[in-house]
Amino acid sequence: AQSVTQLDSQVPVFEEAPVELRCNYSSSVSVYLFWYVQYPNQGLQLLLKYLSGSTLVKGINGFEAEFNKSQTSFHLRKPSVHISDTAEYFCAVTNTGTASKLTFGTGTRLQVTL
Amino acid sequence: DAGVIQSPRHEVTEMGQEVTLRCKPISGHNSLFWYRQTMMRGLELLIYFNNNVPIDDSGMPEDRFSAKMPNASFSTLKIQPSEPRDSAVYFCASRDPGIRSYNEQFFGPGTRLTVL
Repeated sequence: AQSVTQLDSQVPVFEEAPVELRCNYSSSVSVYLFWYVQYPNQGLQLLLKYLSGSTLVKGINGFEAEFNKSQTSFHLRKPSVHISDTAEYFCAVTNTGTASKLTFGTGTRLQVTL
Repeated sequence: DAGVIQSPRHEVTEMGQEVTLRCKPISGHNSLFWYRQTMMRGLELLIYFNNNVPIDDSGMPEDRFSAKMPNASFSTLKIQPSEPRDSAVYFCASRDPGIRSYNEQFFGPGTRLTVL
């Protein structure tokens, strides 16, 4: 079984400040990792994903995440946030077999203010 | 591509009424997932289908909930009878069968259900 932990339920940050959203996972097999973003009143959309290879993954809107196998983490970062980044962010894990479901974390609400 | 399509986008009904939510997955995707999102419980997987066959329905809360996928391009989630605690946003997601999909899911815009 797999699990995902997002310890921070809310992260307030000022515009143009850097931000890190934390994600830790648990799995006994090889995994793929994802970050999804949910803007208010919308569905989830993919921000970025880690499949293999380079541990630093770049996504849309200036976000990036780093896979750390030894710490079983996949933290999301952005060097300078914008008001429009205000949203809910979900980390998800799946095993590398086909037809496997995603296991989601509980989400982190990023609130960007002026 | 139109993406995953859900209807209706909003549904308000009274307790005891039957509610049917609909989903059209992305063409060519062979897996379909139904999720429920609430403030209290977050995002929950209710059921998912591969090739129109239900694979895991362990997340379906109770017998009042049922889901069908009669063909590759359509699925329904039905609640009968509905209760106020069913109020939530219900999402449908689909997935490409190819090995290079890496199990990525594509989400619809959701149906906001309010049961009075």
